[in-house]
Amino acid sequence: NAGVTQTPKFQVLKTGQSMTLQCAQDMNHEYMSWYRQDPGMGLRLIHYSVGAGITDQGEVPNGYNVSRSTTEDFPLRLLSAAPSQTSVYFCASSRTTGRAGYTFGSGTRLTVV
Amino acid sequence: GQQLNQSPQSMFIQEGEDVSMNCTSSSIFNTWLWYKQDPGEGPVLLIALYKAGELTSNGRLTAQFGITRKDSFLNISASIPSDVGIYFCAGHNTGTASKLTFGTGTRLQVTL
Repeated sequence: NAGVTQTPKFQVLKTGQSMTLQCAQDMNHEYMSWYRQDPGMGLRLIHYSVGAGITDQGEVPNGYNVSRSTTEDFPLRLLSAAPSQTSVYFCASSRTTGRAGYTFGSGTRLTVV
Repeated sequence: GQQLNQSPQSMFIQEGEDVSMNCTSSSIFNTWLWYKQDPGEGPVLLIALYKAGELTSNGRLTAQFGITRKDSFLNISASIPSDVGIYFCAGHNTGTASKLTFGTGTRLQVTL
């Protein structure tokens, strides 16, 4: 049982480039979210999805797009990378409304130069 | 957006010591969660609390859901080197879909 799988683990982008961070879960969880982690800031919610075809913005959505075409996958797209998007990105999923807690992936460390 | 305040921000302790940390919010939550993050990994759920005043243990870890529903506490007894990491609290309310609000984290380092 793989849980939540994120790829790539590390990525370096140049300012202005675009890319997609992949997230897949094999637990049939309805809820999936993307967080970014910055030093001293904890985890901040970027976008989330309550099921296939449904997404919504979190706390820091600017510069990011998401889609949820299947229950398993929840990719995060950076439209035009900026140095301020240098961060560690975590994908998480949950069976219920999050009350039981999320299962997190191991993260993608992104550097924008 | 709201974030939860955790204290202390970081702590150095000696192996065998007990550790206490807390998490406070300006608003109430129906669920409190505690996570641990090892270096280079994602957070892992340690304890979930669902009722004001609830005290729950997981091995050497004990967490409490504050009576006011605006705070929570985590204690680690007899710390060992593998307790090193960042501990996050998170709050959740029903009706907020999948949103968890996370604390800023407490970094724990254990010396021999």
